[in-house]
Amino acid sequence: QSVLTQPPSVSAAPGQTVTIPCSGTSSNVEKNYVSWYQQLPGTAPKLLIYDRNKRPSGIPDRFSGSKSGTSATLGITGLQTGDEADYYCGTWDSFLSAVVFGGGTKLTVL
Amino acid sequence: QVQLQESGPGLVKPSETLSLTCAVSGYSISSGYYWGWIRQPPGKGLEWIGSIYHSGSTYYNPSLKSRVTISVDTSKNQFSLKLTSVTAADTAVYYCARVALGSSLPFDYWGQGALVTVSS
Repeated sequence: QSVLTQPPSVSAAPGQTVTIPCSGTSSNVEKNYVSWYQQLPGTAPKLLIYDRNKRPSGIPDRFSGSKSGTSATLGITGLQTGDEADYYCGTWDSFLSAVVFGGGTKLTVL
Repeated sequence: QVQLQESGPGLVKPSETLSLTCAVSGYSISSGYYWGWIRQPPGKGLEWIGSIYHSGSTYYNPSLKSRVTISVDTSKNQFSLKLTSVTAADTAVYYCARVALGSSLPFDYWGQGALVTVSS
């Protein structure tokens, strides 16, 4: 059971916009910023978003992050077939004193 | 470009100790940042194991703390993981990564991962 809660799967058509939610608590998401990772099949996770909607170099602005209270959201616009992957949220949990992750969401681009 | 590479045995017997090393290139560990280990059981999600600073300061996942030791060797620009008393539940792909600056403690550079199977 993951500390952060994500839906197992989401789907959308190419060109559309999709959002992936990440639900936490007052000791993690509400207190700290959230990072988002993309994991393509058979590869290591890649950092997409961190802190207040910051993107590492090379990550397109089609990817964005937001947070409200104990929930965070990853948004992806202009969906491409290459966006099909598992997406994970993660942050620091001040109560557990640990980095915690969501269980992951599989994005299917129909 | 920062690169990380995990190495170590791919098969460990139950009750024995899992040992992995992460070699870092393109950046000197002594220059800063925390460095960490994350694992992913087959078909499952990510689990943070622990992180270490170049000074040797560590912090571990409380759920694994009693079995985990992470150490750093700045002369070889690498850091290592030891996990004792392993069981089948420790079978996973083990990743090493750099912890970037940020309150969410993001992992910005990752190794390709090393599959470790616990089996007799």
